[in-house]
Amino acid sequence: DAKTTQPPSMDCAEGRAANLPCNHSTISGNEYVYWYRQIHSQGPQYIIHGLKNNETNEMASLIITEDRKSSTLILPHATLRDTAVYYCIALTRGRDDKIIFGKGTRLHILP
Amino acid sequence: GAVVSQHPSWVICKSGTSVKIECRSLDFQATTMFWYRQFPKQSLMLMATSNEGSKATYEQGVEKDKFLINHASLTLSTLTVTSAHPEDSSFYICSARDHRVGRQPQHFGDGTRLSIL
Repeated sequence: DAKTTQPPSMDCAEGRAANLPCNHSTISGNEYVYWYRQIHSQGPQYIIHGLKNNETNEMASLIITEDRKSSTLILPHATLRDTAVYYCIALTRGRDDKIIFGKGTRLHILP
Repeated sequence: GAVVSQHPSWVICKSGTSVKIECRSLDFQATTMFWYRQFPKQSLMLMATSNEGSKATYEQGVEKDKFLINHASLTLSTLTVTSAHPEDSSFYICSARDHRVGRQPQHFGDGTRLSIL
């Protein structure tokens, strides 16, 4: 699965949109982009995923560039409870679905 | 609600003790489960892949005799840390692979915090 690169940390003011970037320049055509987050002392939580189209659900939006080499996770109205480490993962479904976590982005929501 | 249950959520025990951690998939059958370990301020590190009815596959550098994995049913995998020592103190997280169409690839448990005195 392709390697992803994320900034180590970001700050965002409460109530504002949090935009978390991810680079995956070596992504292959059948690899999805998945986002998980881990709140302190909990297991990772699924947020959203996409292949090439932009996606939106009740938690977030995912914008994938046309060349699929990067993506942005958008939390539209960040709250203090969104403080967590966010992981961007490139994954091919249908094999063992083994997830290898990178270092992720530590998002601090500021009151 | 939670689809993967992990038990216990925390455990403190003396050095030399063996500790068993359970991971259950609650509403689906999981032929494959995964075990991760996480040290403070670090990312999750995959330890092993647990396959129902067969031997686990361990990642490089993980001692299989130290971390015994049993996946005897489609809904339960266990990790036993044998003769635990203080350096084994960590946050252990399991996940279960979801084969169902349209679902996320893995559901994670809430982790077990292991402290060895």
